[in-house]
Amino acid sequence: SAVISQKPSRDICQRGTSLTIQCQVDSQVTMMFWYRQQPGQSLTLIATANQGSEATYESGFVIDKFPISRPNLTFSTLTVSNMSPEDSSIYLCSVITDSLNQPQHFGDGTRLSIL
Amino acid sequence: GDSVTQMEGPVTLSEEAFLTINCTYTATGYPSLFWYVQYPGEGLQLLLKATKADDKGSNKGFEATYRKETTSFHLEKGSVQVSDSAVYFCALLSGGYNKLIFGAGTRLAVHP
Repeated sequence: SAVISQKPSRDICQRGTSLTIQCQVDSQVTMMFWYRQQPGQSLTLIATANQGSEATYESGFVIDKFPISRPNLTFSTLTVSNMSPEDSSIYLCSVITDSLNQPQHFGDGTRLSIL
Repeated sequence: GDSVTQMEGPVTLSEEAFLTINCTYTATGYPSLFWYVQYPGEGLQLLLKATKADDKGSNKGFEATYRKETTSFHLEKGSVQVSDSAVYFCALLSGGYNKLIFGAGTRLAVHP
């Protein structure tokens, strides 16, 4: 399966600042997604990153707070803007390497703490 | 809407004990079903999958059978090891939407 690299692996940030998380895949993929995992919780889909167009956001998530880019078939970024302590979570990138209904494969995640 | 319900944890077992983690789902159509595992400090790894009724997914001694009649996908392992300690997530994929819906996760702790 594809090798997915996320950077940074962890960070501690001040409230009010923004952080951009990168997701790099070692091969072209069909789809890329961003998830949030709040402490002790399950995963919630933030958005589907669309190559060359605006991301598709899930209910409760907006572009102003979580801008996403996907300039090509192997790379995407998620920015967490104007951070508050409630944004302290693990943010995970996932990909589908092939056709529909195939498993999603996940990166190791970015552990973000907001002071 | 589609949803996944997992048994609450934590589940605490002794090494070599039998493991069952229950998972049931609600979905329209015929979803694909997955078990993912998250080891401490790591991301999610796909453990096994099943794409249609009566399929059995298996990997690393873990098994789960897609039961359409009971809308279930219970995870089992005959003899757990300390290294199996992790959080296990059941998930479904709605056909055509590529949106994974996760259960709440079940933490497993295996003691020597």
